[in-house]
Amino acid sequence: NAGVTQTPKFRVLKTGQSMTLLCAQDMNHEYMYWYRQDPGMGLRLIHYSVGEGTTAKGEVPDGYNVSRLKKQNFLLGLESAAPSQTSVYFCASTQGTGGADTQYFGPGTRLTVL
Amino acid sequence: AQSVSQHNHHVILSEAASLELGCNYSYGGTVNLFWYVQYPGQHLQLLLKYFSGDPLVKGIKGFEAEFIKSKFSFNLRKPSVQWSDTAEYFCAVYSGYALNFGKGTSLLVTP
Repeated sequence: NAGVTQTPKFRVLKTGQSMTLLCAQDMNHEYMYWYRQDPGMGLRLIHYSVGEGTTAKGEVPDGYNVSRLKKQNFLLGLESAAPSQTSVYFCASTQGTGGADTQYFGPGTRLTVL
Repeated sequence: AQSVSQHNHHVILSEAASLELGCNYSYGGTVNLFWYVQYPGQHLQLLLKYFSGDPLVKGIKGFEAEFIKSKFSFNLRKPSVQWSDTAEYFCAVYSGYALNFGKGTSLLVTP
C-alpha cells in the first residue's frame, strides 16, 4: 500500500515549456486535490476532483489544467510555465465521506521555472 | 468559505518547554478542524482533528488541541517539546470539499 505517490519529484522548466505532474493513489479514494506550497503562504488549493471524470477549480487555478480519467490518477498540467509557478506541488486524496475525512498527502514535486 | 488564521509564524523553543500554537477559524456553525505537521523535507501528516464531541482532542506524539467555540479557536499544545518536533505546523478547516490551510507556523526546538 503505497498511499499517494507523485512523479516526478523534481523538475526544472524554462519559461513557456509545458509539463504534466502525475498523482496516483491506491486507497480507492473518491476525492483528490492539487495544492501548491509557497514560503509564508501555506498550502493553496489549485484544483480538485470529487470523482472520476470530474474536476473543479480551487483558490489559484489560473495557468493550470487537470484531468481525472481514472479514479486512482489525478494529473496536473502546466501548458506554458511561468516563473510564478515555481513552487512545491502536493497532491492529496481523501475518502470523500464527509468533512472529518483525513487528507493523505503525497511527497511533493519541487518545480523550478527559469 | 471557512478560513483559518495562524498568528505565530516563527517560534523558537528550548527542549522541554511547553508549546502552544494559535489557530482561529473564521465563523461559527459546524466546523471540522485539523492540525497537520510537515517535518523537514517530508510531506504533510495529520496530527489530530476535531469534528464533534469532546473539545479536547488528543493526537499523535503527545500533541493535543482544544476547540473553544466561543473564541473561534483551535490551539495546538504540547507540554514538553523535543528537538524532533522541529517542523512546520498547519491548521486547516474543511470548507466546501477541500481544506483551507493557514499560512503555517515554523517551530524550531533547540537542544
